[in-house]
Amino acid sequence: QKEVEQNSGPLSVPEGAIASLNCTYSDRGSQSFFWYRQYSGKSPELIMFIYSNGDKEDGRFTAQLNKASQYVSLLIRDSQPSDSATYLCAVNMGWNAGNMLTFGGGTRLMVKP
Amino acid sequence: EPEVTQTPSHQVTQMGQEVILRCVPISNHLYFYWYRQILGQKVEFLVSFYNNEISEKSEIFDDQFSVERPDGSNFTLKIRSTKLEDSAMYFCASLGAHWGPDTQYFGPGTRLTVL
Repeated sequence: QKEVEQNSGPLSVPEGAIASLNCTYSDRGSQSFFWYRQYSGKSPELIMFIYSNGDKEDGRFTAQLNKASQYVSLLIRDSQPSDSATYLCAVNMGWNAGNMLTFGGGTRLMVKP
Repeated sequence: EPEVTQTPSHQVTQMGQEVILRCVPISNHLYFYWYRQILGQKVEFLVSFYNNEISEKSEIFDDQFSVERPDGSNFTLKIRSTKLEDSAMYFCASLGAHWGPDTQYFGPGTRLTVL
């Protein structure tokens, strides 16, 4: 059973602070890793993806991947109230597995003005 | 910017009725997916579709479910005899070519309510 685990939160941070969201996955064959943002009642919106160990930066967002520890994280710098949402970690087993995504339960982030 | 569209946005049906949820994937994408999210729960994979056939399906995707790409643009999910537990948000997603990034883009979803 492939599992993706996230702390459900809520994670509360003040405006302007760094929010750190974490995710662990069980299947070592996982090939690519995604962070989606989901507002209540809306669909998942892609924030960024990462394939290789290390850090990947995109604007205020940094994804970090450690395959040895089976750990993915997302850092949001200069957090804004509009970042308040649920952040979903998703893991992809690759093309041979039909690219199905396995999602974590999400971490709810609250950014307080 | 190209996007995945879904209709209807909300479908209410009686238990035992058939429903068809429709999706128009991004036009040059080749891989298509259905996911569902029961209120307060995880997003769950249902099925993937490529080259006019199912490539993967989950345990959820039983004989009550079917998918079809009836023409060059639409991708549909049919539930033959709906149950109360089918009430959920259903998301369609699409992905580009095999040689490109394996990033799936989600449509806005259809909220299915089974009474």
